[in-house]
Amino acid sequence: QQQVKQSPQSLIVQKGGISIINCAYENTAFDYFPWYQQFPGKGPALLIAIRPDVSEKKEGRFTISFNKSAKQFSLHIMDSQPGDSATYFCAASMSGATNKLIFGTGTLLAVQP
Amino acid sequence: DAGITQSPRHKVTETGTPVTLRCHQTENHRYMYWYRQDPGHGLRLIHYSYGVKDTDKGEVSDGYSVSRSKTEDFLLTLESATSSQTSVYFCAIRPSGTYNEQFFGPGTRLTVL
Repeated sequence: QQQVKQSPQSLIVQKGGISIINCAYENTAFDYFPWYQQFPGKGPALLIAIRPDVSEKKEGRFTISFNKSAKQFSLHIMDSQPGDSATYFCAASMSGATNKLIFGTGTLLAVQP
Repeated sequence: DAGITQSPRHKVTETGTPVTLRCHQTENHRYMYWYRQDPGHGLRLIHYSYGVKDTDKGEVSDGYSVSRSKTEDFLLTLESATSSQTSVYFCAIRPSGTYNEQFFGPGTRLTVL
């Protein structure tokens, strides 16, 4: 119940296309869903996050879509650029003293010029 | 990297030797975390701290211990390193006043031969 399942494992998109990465969870107590972007040799960087009181959040070219009933959330990267090539991780956490993050297994995105 | 430094950045050691990794932050954040990152597993929480001398276990704590004697430093110790502890280790902080925004350091790549 603590798992977050992420797909696909890898993704190739043409420049200008839309990249879509999906995550699913089981624990309905999760109430915070961030996405992290990681470049080789670097630490993960917080990209965008959503709480379950909204169904969508957009920041620039990055959008999180959230489906509470399906227990799924996804990251959409519009107008994908070669500079977006990185590994993306979804995560989830629940309210509490420690707010531990449970991460998905990651998606390696390659945007071809 | 949110004012987080990790040392060393790379280390090669032999099975059975003790190893200590250091995480240093400059902004007096209360919450600090240690994760390990392995292919196919995403990031998994090892230990976390919610204040000086206040620490607790994460999901993969076996074989690891931590200490936090000062707000700015969170140490991760492998008492007797094993090859299964070869990994990339990331420290993270969570600023007070945020829901659960965690910011990661640059990581330490540890190889246990």
